[in-house]
Amino acid sequence: DQQVKQNSPSLSVQEGRISILNCDYTNSMFDYFLWYKKYPAEGPTFLISISSIKDKNEDGRFTVFLNKSAKHLSLHIVPSQPGDSAVYFCATRISNFGNEKLTFGTGTRLTIIP
Amino acid sequence: ETGVTQTPRHLVMGMTNKKSLKCEQHLGHNAMYWYKQSAKKPLELMFVYNFKEQTENNSVPSRFSPECPNSSHLFLHLHTLQPEDSALYLCASSRQGTLHFGNGTRLTVT
Repeated sequence: DQQVKQNSPSLSVQEGRISILNCDYTNSMFDYFLWYKKYPAEGPTFLISISSIKDKNEDGRFTVFLNKSAKHLSLHIVPSQPGDSAVYFCATRISNFGNEKLTFGTGTRLTIIP
Repeated sequence: ETGVTQTPRHLVMGMTNKKSLKCEQHLGHNAMYWYKQSAKKPLELMFVYNFKEQTENNSVPSRFSPECPNSSHLFLHLHTLQPEDSALYLCASSRQGTLHFGNGTRLTVT
């Protein structure tokens, strides 16, 4: 049973427009939410995160929104750039004595069209 | 140089072979992880080590055997694997909060 779901396996967006990636989770015990970005032949790299006590976190072109009542997380990228083309993974965490055990979604492949 | 280095980058092995994957982190982190990424599946946590002690084994078959000699090094010993074990194996480390991943080893079992 998947606790973290990314229902869109792929998304194409025109350069300069907004990209919106979505993620749903089932476990209300998750206390931290992260987005990772992965290019081909590379490992995932951390992009942005949000604590369960907040509903929005912004870092430059990237904003993450958290709706706890709906158990829904989204990543907004604006304006989208060709270098943003990658696979984006949503991840959630329950802190456990220093082990940062992350549960990942299946990823969404974002393609930015020039 | 990336903070987390994995070798080899690619590995092809037969079902009767024994091989090892190596991971080294230069970030001073105390926790290290093995994840498996199969096609169209989420990243699956395999093992967690904290200060060299294994703190999690996520029901991984015994043909995968981890070893953590110190906080900077992590190995995954492979023995009598199956073709369905072919996947990208990712090592990660952390100190507080964020995982830092290596570039992975692409494993093909023939």
